[in-house]
Amino acid sequence: QVQLQESGPGLVKSSETLSLTCSVSGGSVSGSNYYWTWIRLSPGKGLEWIGYVYYSGTTNYNPSLKSRVTISIDTSKNQFSLKLTSVTAADTAVYYCARSRSPSDSGGWFDPWGQGALVTVSS
Amino acid sequence: DIQMTQSPSTLSASVGDRVTITCRASQTINSFLAWYQLKPGKAPKLLIYKASTLQSGVPSRFSGSGSGTEFTLTISSLQPDDFAIFYCQQYDFYPYTFGQGTKLEIK
Repeated sequence: QVQLQESGPGLVKSSETLSLTCSVSGGSVSGSNYYWTWIRLSPGKGLEWIGYVYYSGTTNYNPSLKSRVTISIDTSKNQFSLKLTSVTAADTAVYYCARSRSPSDSGGWFDPWGQGALVTVSS
Repeated sequence: DIQMTQSPSTLSASVGDRVTITCRASQTINSFLAWYQLKPGKAPKLLIYKASTLQSGVPSRFSGSGSGTEFTLTISSLQPDDFAIFYCQQYDFYPYTFGQGTKLEIK
């Protein structure tokens, strides 16, 4: 059974870079059927899809965040990561990593998810 | 972006009740809709995908229906473990978008 676990600093200063890692166990990020995704939940915006990375390194980002987001994958460590630059208080949220299936197969639902990591942006 | 609108925002119900949550899309999304259950401190749980397909392991009291722009999630007989926040999500168009959530409270 695949499990995902987020890790990273819980407090980031305004204007700095938020960095989180998602460790995957019970399965491989190198599988060709899956896309590895970041989602966040904030009081102001609710649930927001941030973007995904494929094992090949192909990415797709939400246009609202595209200028500040990088999602990368490390197949040797079975992990993928999120970097969000120039953060503000509006980026305070619980950040989740999740898996989805191929969008070309219309498999864009998310399962499983990690438990989430609260990141607070401080001034 | 596709706007997903859920109703109601809050729902108060009792154990054993039948409840329905509605999700409306700002344009047609065929049947590319999923439902999730969120509880604090726990991994969100996929309940339904393709509008009406029950995820493996999810109790059969959960069901989904709809296509196009209007969808529903029904819980046929509420159990104590069901009280949570429920979200719908469309995956027909990028960026994928979610409803604002429906909080299911104990009456």
